[in-house]
Amino acid sequence: GAGVSQSPSNKVTEKGKDVELRCDPISGHTALYWYRQSLGQGLEFLIYFQGNSAPDKSGLPSDRFSAERTGGSVSTLTIQRTQQEDSAVYLCASSSGQQSTNEKLFFGSGTQLSVL
Amino acid sequence: GESVGLHLPTLSVQEGDNSIINCAYSNSASDYFIWYKQESGKGPQFIIDIRSNMDKRQGQRVTVLLNKTVKHLSLQIAATQPGDSAVYFCAENRDNFNKFYFGSGTKLNVKP
Repeated sequence: GAGVSQSPSNKVTEKGKDVELRCDPISGHTALYWYRQSLGQGLEFLIYFQGNSAPDKSGLPSDRFSAERTGGSVSTLTIQRTQQEDSAVYLCASSSGQQSTNEKLFFGSGTQLSVL
Repeated sequence: GESVGLHLPTLSVQEGDNSIINCAYSNSASDYFIWYKQESGKGPQFIIDIRSNMDKRQGQRVTVLLNKTVKHLSLQIAATQPGDSAVYFCAENRDNFNKFYFGSGTKLNVKP
């Protein structure tokens, strides 16, 4: 696609329920990232996928958070047993993944998650 | 711990004036920096980047300055316009090529 696409754009859920957030990266981009942005805050790194390598999960805040990337393209971020403190905007980004040079990330518009 | 942060959380400028947004970083090993602009309800958009072997880089109406001695980064916007109103983030690349750490952001308000 022309850009990074995320769905849904908004998600309201009840505490304790599971949610799945989806990200479609730019076609051909091998690197994919998930970030979390709480209200009025900066971006908190969650997880990074690069090609077929094992993902860097060092930013996941708890074992309730997990992410998959199927076929090296679409990614799903899953939050189990959601808590109110999980409420935030979840941003996905992709890049071409050429590790020979530093490169910029292209972001989607995010999913606004509200846990009631 | 090491961090990326911004000096001013909110900056108000008059339309047509120049804006300067500052960022401090603490990891001297960081070698690549990016400024992003985030408008309300949208994801961050790339503005300009700079590598650590440079002190200055210019784009269209924007200039990024890097002072490695004091670990300071700034974004200068010339002739600020209402469309420049947004939150601006600096991002620092460390640990590996493509892992970025973001500051908390500065909100720029442009007054007509």
